[in-house]
Amino acid sequence: AQKITQTQPGMFVQEKEAVTLDCTYDTSDPSYGLFWYKQPSSGEMIFLIYQGSYDQQNATEGRYSLNFQKARKSANLVISASQLGDSAMYFCAMREAGKTSYDKVIFGPGTSLSVIP
Amino acid sequence: DVKVTQSSRYLVKRTGEKVFLECVQDMDHENMFWYRQDPGLGLRLIYFSYDVKMKEKGDIPEGYSVSREKKERFSLILESASTNQTSMYLCASSPETGATDTQYFGPGTRLTVL
Repeated sequence: AQKITQTQPGMFVQEKEAVTLDCTYDTSDPSYGLFWYKQPSSGEMIFLIYQGSYDQQNATEGRYSLNFQKARKSANLVISASQLGDSAMYFCAMREAGKTSYDKVIFGPGTSLSVIP
Repeated sequence: DVKVTQSSRYLVKRTGEKVFLECVQDMDHENMFWYRQDPGLGLRLIYFSYDVKMKEKGDIPEGYSVSREKKERFSLILESASTNQTSMYLCASSPETGATDTQYFGPGTRLTVL
């Protein structure tokens, strides 16, 4: 079963506008971490933001914020004031603690974001 | 800054060839990973190593092997390349194993098997 769902294969946003990229996850483990990565056309995966399952507040990093709704198992990424350089693939990922000999990270299928001038 | 490097950005090989993909990290991380990335499938874990000479299979290890003789270097080996192994390969490293630990990625190797 898909553990990370990103329902938007592609999205467009006007430069300087805010955009929300959706992510829902599935886990029965009370301890987990949620990550967002950006992958520009150059290919490198760039870590953007992290949210722990026990964190009380939503994570923020500059123009990135994570809208964490634990009961809905939702971890949407909000990018404020979009820039042309934000055009990239965005991946949501989850790491569950302690289930196996290593803490496996599961990635979603990604959302392609295009910022329009 | 954490630096993860991969030996090639682009690689073209023929069916049946033995292929080596090299990954080096400079931050003394214990854990290293090899993923393959295919459109619509996200990243899938091939192999994982948590220490020198230690390795564990990920979700899709068939057709691949790995080697970790030194802490900083993790190699992915395709013993006999096949066309269905045409993909983007990403190496990553992380300092420890835990829910909070971020993985740091290299630039990727786009492998084409003809």
